[in-house]
Amino acid sequence: AQSVTQLGSHVSVSEGALVLLRCNYSSSVPPYLFWYVQYPNQGLQLLLKYTTGATLVKGINGFEAEFKKSETSFHLTKPSAHMSDAAEYFCAVSERSSASKIIFGSGTRLSIRP
Amino acid sequence: SQTIHQWPATLVQPVGSPLSLECTVEGTSNPNLYWYRQAAGRGLQLLFYSVGIGQISSEVPQNLSASRPQDRQFILSSKKLLLSDSGFYLCAWTRDREAFFGQGTRLTVV
Repeated sequence: AQSVTQLGSHVSVSEGALVLLRCNYSSSVPPYLFWYVQYPNQGLQLLLKYTTGATLVKGINGFEAEFKKSETSFHLTKPSAHMSDAAEYFCAVSERSSASKIIFGSGTRLSIRP
Repeated sequence: SQTIHQWPATLVQPVGSPLSLECTVEGTSNPNLYWYRQAAGRGLQLLFYSVGIGQISSEVPQNLSASRPQDRQFILSSKKLLLSDSGFYLCAWTRDREAFFGQGTRLTVV
């Protein structure tokens, strides 16, 4: 069965510093992988996704993530944090062989220090 | 373009009362539909998903149920709410595995 693990329920970085949010997955075959962002009291919106091809995926707001099959990871990074990046971030996985079901990680709350 | 509507935005209900949350999708046909719950300090828990009218898969046993009476309508229900049902409920549909979410319903059971 597929699953997603996000290490660190809360990450705090200084404005301008590197953002690194970790995500590891468990799946029988390389799945589709996603990062979503959620602002307070709102639904989730897609930051980026990996389906096939290039393993480094670029998303909105300067975020990117790299699919590493050998490490079963899909960590999210941003070179320089901005105050507006403060939100909750969710990693998600969907198996290629499944007709549906998207499984989300437990989320990481990102705080930005001035 | 496709849009997803979810209502109400907030709801306060007493323990033991019934629940009905509605979600509708516009601009697409035969979408895969989902209900997730986000409890305070926890991630998104998949409750139900549906690949077609009348087809409901339940992920977690509980006192909630879901129905899909029409192609683009997904309803989350309960006959008797528990305190533990409090949380933020999100409806979503998917295209090419990408999920599109409604704005959510904040349910407080008192």
